[in-house]
Amino acid sequence: DIQMTQSPSTLSASVGDRVTITCRASQYISDSLAWYQQKPGRAPKLLISRASNLESGVPSRFSGSGSGTEFTLSISSLQPDDFASYYCQQFNSDPETFGQGTKLEI
Amino acid sequence: EVQLLESGGGLVQPGGSLRLSCTASGFAFSTYAMAWVRQAPVKGLEWVAGTSAGGGSSHYADSVKGRFIISRDNSKNTLYLELNRVTAEDTALYYCSRSFTGPRRFWGQGALVTVSS
Repeated sequence: DIQMTQSPSTLSASVGDRVTITCRASQYISDSLAWYQQKPGRAPKLLISRASNLESGVPSRFSGSGSGTEFTLSISSLQPDDFASYYCQQFNSDPETFGQGTKLEI
Repeated sequence: EVQLLESGGGLVQPGGSLRLSCTASGFAFSTYAMAWVRQAPVKGLEWVAGTSAGGGSSHYADSVKGRFIISRDNSKNTLYLELNRVTAEDTALYYCSRSFTGPRRFWGQGALVTVSS
């Protein structure tokens, strides 16, 4: 199985900050990567598909980049609603696998 | 509006069995592959099993192969996951999700399974 490694595990930031989360794949996955946001008690919400494609309705302050084995999720200006956990997912090879998550906290 | 509603979670003893259900609405259920993804506090998100639109093809994570069975009843718009010979490591929130793999736009609210004596 392909291992997905996210960093950092926890990220402390303030409203208005720009933050970046990194996800590394143990093997080449092209652009077969998605990013999710999850809040306590809720299912994950898809933010970005195909490494950089922003889902409809997701604020433009979110952006994704990367290809191959290294990917990033950036939030340009943190809003109070953005404090949550974030996960990456590879779907290039079965089984799909997820990163361990990054908790974004104030 | 796509809706997925899981049910059947609960407390089960080690070695026991449980069946989860996921009732779908808002889309043509019989034309979509479906999957179960679980989330345990320690292990994070894990794809568990997936089945084709017609139910004729199923795949499982190595961690559950031989113990879990995914199935569906397209006449009832319902997806199932039968959990057998469960262990503490199967304790998790189980989500059903549309599509076999790929970006997951649609998730249920989850069904909590707790394995404990």
